[in-house]
Amino acid sequence: AQSVSQHNHHVILSEAASLELGCNYSYGGTVNLFWYVQYPGQHLQLLLKYFSGDPLVKGIKGFEAEFIKSKFSFNLRKPSVQWSDTAEYFCAVNAPGIILTGGGNKLTFGTGTQLKVEL
Amino acid sequence: DSGVTQTPKHLITATGQRVTLRCSPRSGDLSVYWYQQSLDQGLQFLIQYYNGEERAKGNILERFSAQQFPDLHSELNLSSLELGDSALYFCASSSYRAYSNQPQHFGDGTRLSIL
Repeated sequence: AQSVSQHNHHVILSEAASLELGCNYSYGGTVNLFWYVQYPGQHLQLLLKYFSGDPLVKGIKGFEAEFIKSKFSFNLRKPSVQWSDTAEYFCAVNAPGIILTGGGNKLTFGTGTQLKVEL
Repeated sequence: DSGVTQTPKHLITATGQRVTLRCSPRSGDLSVYWYQQSLDQGLQFLIQYYNGEERAKGNILERFSAQQFPDLHSELNLSSLELGDSALYFCASSSYRAYSNQPQHFGDGTRLSIL
């Protein structure tokens, strides 16, 4: 079974600071990786995804993430955060191998990181 | 707007009662997922349906059940409700073709409060 760890539970940054949120997963096979964002009172929105290919993926709103297979990591980065980035960020994983055999493709989520950006 | 519609947005009820949460997936999506988000458990997968058939089950209690109808909308039924069932229940959908990878798109959720 997959598991996901997000080590930073709460992060406070000033506007224009750089952001890096850690995500590590545990699974023996190939994985799909995702970052979702949840703004206050809203639904989860997909920020970016990694399926295969270039390990550096770019998403919406200036976010990017790097998949490092040897470290089982998929850290989220943004060079300069804005006040509007205040939200909760979730890393998630599913396993494409299970999809191919006709099983489900549930997402396993980390515990989330609450980001607060101060003016 | 993700295209996934959940009703109702808020539900307040008492212990021992039964409720039904409804989800309409994005147009064209065949797969529906239910997740529970609570402060102590985080985001937990409950169950997945694909084109009317159950595909995967997570940590779903026996008091909970779900189904997906021919028009692809899904309902999550929660019965004998307990205080600990208070949570935000999300529905997500994806196209879920076996040989491609598709992200899941989430609805706004139903906030269930048990008094």
